[in-house]
Amino acid sequence: QSALTQPPSASGSPGQSVTISCTGTSSDVGGYEYVSWYQQYPGKAPRLMIYEVIKRPSGVPDRFSGSKSGNTASLTVSGLQAEDEADYYCSSYGGRNNFVVFGGGTKLTVL
Amino acid sequence: QLEQSGAEAKKPGASVKVFCKASGHNTYGISWVRQAPGQGLEWMGWISVYNGNTNYAPKFQGRVTIIKDTSTSAVYMDLRRLTSDDTAVYFCAVSRLGYCRGGGCYLSFDIWGQGTVVTVSS
Repeated sequence: QSALTQPPSASGSPGQSVTISCTGTSSDVGGYEYVSWYQQYPGKAPRLMIYEVIKRPSGVPDRFSGSKSGNTASLTVSGLQAEDEADYYCSSYGGRNNFVVFGGGTKLTVL
Repeated sequence: QLEQSGAEAKKPGASVKVFCKASGHNTYGISWVRQAPGQGLEWMGWISVYNGNTNYAPKFQGRVTIIKDTSTSAVYMDLRRLTSDDTAVYFCAVSRLGYCRGGGCYLSFDIWGQGTVVTVSS
């Protein structure tokens, strides 16, 4: 069982927006401003999409945005495109004894 | 870039050592993340390439060791007492956007190795 809880699936039509949630506790998501989001295609290594809750690495489209409220972080993908269909994982700082905790992943389907 | 060693096939109870070598950029530390077939990502641990300090996920404490080889600039992940549940792709990853502060390291992995398949079967 993963430390952070994500819905197993999400979907949306091209052009629409979809939001994926990531729920933790005050010991991880809620306690620190350090949540990351990753995109992963089958058979490939993950790609960093969001870090420090809201920041986008160079090269990531601004259609991807992050936010956090309390113990729940969210990734929003606006203007859905077919290429956004992938698995998405959140992670958070988990404290001095466990630097990184991951969510179980969400499969995003573009209808 | 991160270059990892090749696929491994092991029997239950054995150990496996996977290496990762960074080239072309500076990094403070390297982490190991694994992914079992059809499952999610699981962080295993981290090592500072400067002083060798390590931090392991509680689940792997006592069973995993991450070490740096100063002669080759490579980092090794040694996982012992393997079971079939350890069958997975093992990635090394670097956080150039992260930082260490107050005894903790805040990591977001922007560079990943190609992955090493480890199969545990009798």
